[in-house]
This record gives sequence, structure tokens and C-alpha cells, in this order.
Amino acid sequence: AQSVTQLGSHVSVSEGALVLLRCNYSSSVPPYLFWYVQYPNQGLQLLLKYTSAATLVKGINGFEAEFKKSETSFHLTKPSAHMSDAAEYFCAVSDLSTGGGNKLTFGTGTQLKVEL
Amino acid sequence: EAQVTQNPRYLITVTGKKLTVTCSQNMNHEYMSWYRQDPGLGLRQIYYSMNVEVTDKGDVPEGYKVSRKEKRNFPLILESPSPNQTSLYFCASRGQGLVGETQYFGPGTRLLVL
Repeated sequence: AQSVTQLGSHVSVSEGALVLLRCNYSSSVPPYLFWYVQYPNQGLQLLLKYTSAATLVKGINGFEAEFKKSETSFHLTKPSAHMSDAAEYFCAVSDLSTGGGNKLTFGTGTQLKVEL
Repeated sequence: EAQVTQNPRYLITVTGKKLTVTCSQNMNHEYMSWYRQDPGLGLRQIYYSMNVEVTDKGDVPEGYKVSRKEKRNFPLILESPSPNQTSLYFCASRGQGLVGETQYFGPGTRLLVL
């Protein structure tokens, strides 16, 4: 069965500092990986996704993530945090081996706080 | 505008009183799904539908029902709500293409069962 582990339920950074949100996955077949962002009182919005093309994936709002098969990781980064990045971030995995109509399996989320 | 809509956005009810949360998408997507979000647990799939009249259980289906009579709508039904169903619910949809297709989420429905 596929699974996702997000290390750190809360991450705090200073404005302008590097953002690094960690995601490790478990999948028996090549995975499809996603990062979603949830702003307060809103639904989930796709930041970026990996679908077996380039291993470095660029998303919206200056975020990017690198797929590392050897480390089973898909960490999310942004060079310089902005106050507007404060939100909850979810990593998710989907693969052809799963039931649920190739469902998304989510991590438990990381709340990002950006301080002045 | 392509979107997934849910109604109501907020709902307070009492134990045992049947309720329905509606979900509608305007993207002609075949696949629709319901998730619940709980603190520390992330999002967990309740039910999903691959197309009209085709539904199946997700990871946490107990206490819920769904129906898919039209392609655009996928209501979630709680026949006899209980306090442990207090949660934030999301509907999502995507096309029936590759597994890597993006799922689009509704704005969420926050349910409190007293």
C-alpha cells in the first residue's frame, strides 16, 4: 500500500528565508506525487506534481520539488518565504497499483508559519 | 470558470438527523471523490465514483452513503450522523485519464454534529 510521511507538522521560517517541507513516500510502483496548499478556510489548491517526466518540478508561487527515487522523497522548497505563503501544505501520492480509482493518499500536512 | 462547488459550507446538526452535502463540478469529469480532513490525520477518502452509477468505498466509508445519478453531481449522505463525523469534508473531481491527472477540490464543508 502506498503511504506518505510529512516530517514536521509545524514549520516556522522568517520572511525571506528558505522554505523546506519534507515528504517521503512509500509505493510499490513508480508513483505520481503531488503537493497541495490549503489557505485558511479554503479548499486544496495544486502547487505542483511529478508524473515521471523531469525530476525537478516547478510549481506556482515560486515553489519547486525534486523527486529522488533513491531517497523516496519529494521535498518542497522555495528560496525566499513570503508572508502570503503561510498555509498548510499536503503531500500526496497516487499510483497504478492502488484501488480507490487511483486515489490520492495524503500525508498529515505541514503548517507553515512565516514570521517577520 | 472551472470549479467544484459544495453546499452548505458550514453545518451544525444533531445526532441522528439525516443530512446531505451536495457536490457539483462543471468540468465534465468522470471521477469524483469525497474526503474528510481531521487534525493530524490529513485527508482520508470516504467514497469515490468512476462514472455515473459507479461508486465504491474508500478508506473510511462507515456511516456515509453516496449516489451518482448525474455526471456533474456527487452528494454525500449521512443517514444518522454521529459526533465522530464532525469534520471538514472535501469533494474532488478529475478526468478519467492518466493516474497523474490533477484532482480539483471544492471549498470544503465544515460539519459539527452535536
